[in-house]
Formats: sequence, C-alpha cells, structure tokens
Amino acid sequence: GQQVMQIPQYQHVQEGEDFTTYCNSSTTLSNIQWYKQRPGGHPVFLIQLVKSGEVKKQKRLTFQFGEAKKNSSLHITATQTTDVGTYFCAGWEGNTPLVFGKGTRLSVIA
Amino acid sequence: KAGVTQTPRYLIKTRGQQVTLSCSPISGHRSVSWYQQTPGQGLQFLFEYFSETQRNKGNFPGRFSGRQFSNSRSEMNVSTLELGDSALYLCASSPDIGGTQYFGPGTRLTVL
Repeated sequence: GQQVMQIPQYQHVQEGEDFTTYCNSSTTLSNIQWYKQRPGGHPVFLIQLVKSGEVKKQKRLTFQFGEAKKNSSLHITATQTTDVGTYFCAGWEGNTPLVFGKGTRLSVIA
Repeated sequence: KAGVTQTPRYLIKTRGQQVTLSCSPISGHRSVSWYQQTPGQGLQFLFEYFSETQRNKGNFPGRFSGRQFSNSRSEMNVSTLELGDSALYLCASSPDIGGTQYFGPGTRLTVL
C-alpha cells in the first residue's frame, strides 16, 4: 500500500535559523497536504499542493511539490518560537485514504 | 461555522471494557475520518465515511468499528479494550473525499 515517509523525525534549531522537512511517497499523488500540530493541540491544515512542480509561499513558509508528484518539502525561513510544533505531510492518491507521514517535530531555541 | 466537536474529551477505562467516541463534523461536511495518534506513530488512519458509507478502513483489528449517521455525525467504538489502545483519537471532517481535513480537539483515551 501507499507509504509516506517524512524526514527528519526531529529538528532542533536556533531561533533565526532555517528549517526544512521532506516528504516522500511510494506512489504518485493526486495532492499533498501539510498540517501543523502545536504541542497539546490538534493538526491544523496549512496548505494543499496539486500541480507537478508547484511552489506556494505563506509568509516565511515555502512549500514545494516535486515534478513527479511523489515528494514535497516545507521550508521555514528564519524560524521563530511560534513555529514550534510537529509538521505533517499527507498524501492522497485518489481512491485511497489520505496517508500521513509520521511528522517532523520542530524545536526552536530562543 | 462551528468547528469539529468530539465528545468526550477525556476518558479512562479498564481493560476489557468498551468505549464509544462521538464526532460532530462541520456543518455541510459529508466526509468524516478517524485517526489514532500515539507518540512516535504519527496519525494512524482508522476509518473514512462519506454519506453514511464506509469508504476505507485502516489496518486495525475488528475490535475497532464505526458508523456515520444521516446528519454526518459519526461514532467509533472500541470493544474489549487493551492497554495499547491508549491514545488520542482524532476525528476530521472534510467537504469532500481527499480534501482538507478539519480536525477536532480529539478524545484522550486512557486504558488501565
């Protein structure tokens, strides 16, 4: 079945440093979604990518969808303490359920 | 619009008991999915319902079951609870299949 691998599992950065998390699917995706879960909270939708090679930006966050629609990345420029949390990618093939990666837990040291 | 609501928020049960968790989706959303979240395991998919039909089921034993009602509200049931069932159970609704998941706050289940 479809698998979504996400790396790294943990990332500790100094405030102001950049951060990137990568997501790889074993199959070609119809779309990929990104979510953020703050400590003690629930996942909150960030963005959805649909097109091959798509790049979307949300302030300091840049999301990319690979040309083959099998991988994606989330890059945060100049991290802030408010960026702390776990970032999940989730891939959708079509008729199968959305498959979540295990997430990357980001810690930001002030 | 009101968000996804889940009841109860916290639950403590003992091994062998059964439990029913409830989820009310965002008004107008017909798709409801359930996930189990444990430390280190991420979000494990349990079920997906759309218009009262179970579309997909995750790799969980038959002790885990669910259903969706005509008003899109959903319930999941776990029978013969085991210690390993302790987890955060998250419900998410979506306007359509494969769309953005709007998560509820979850039900924290502890099995003693």
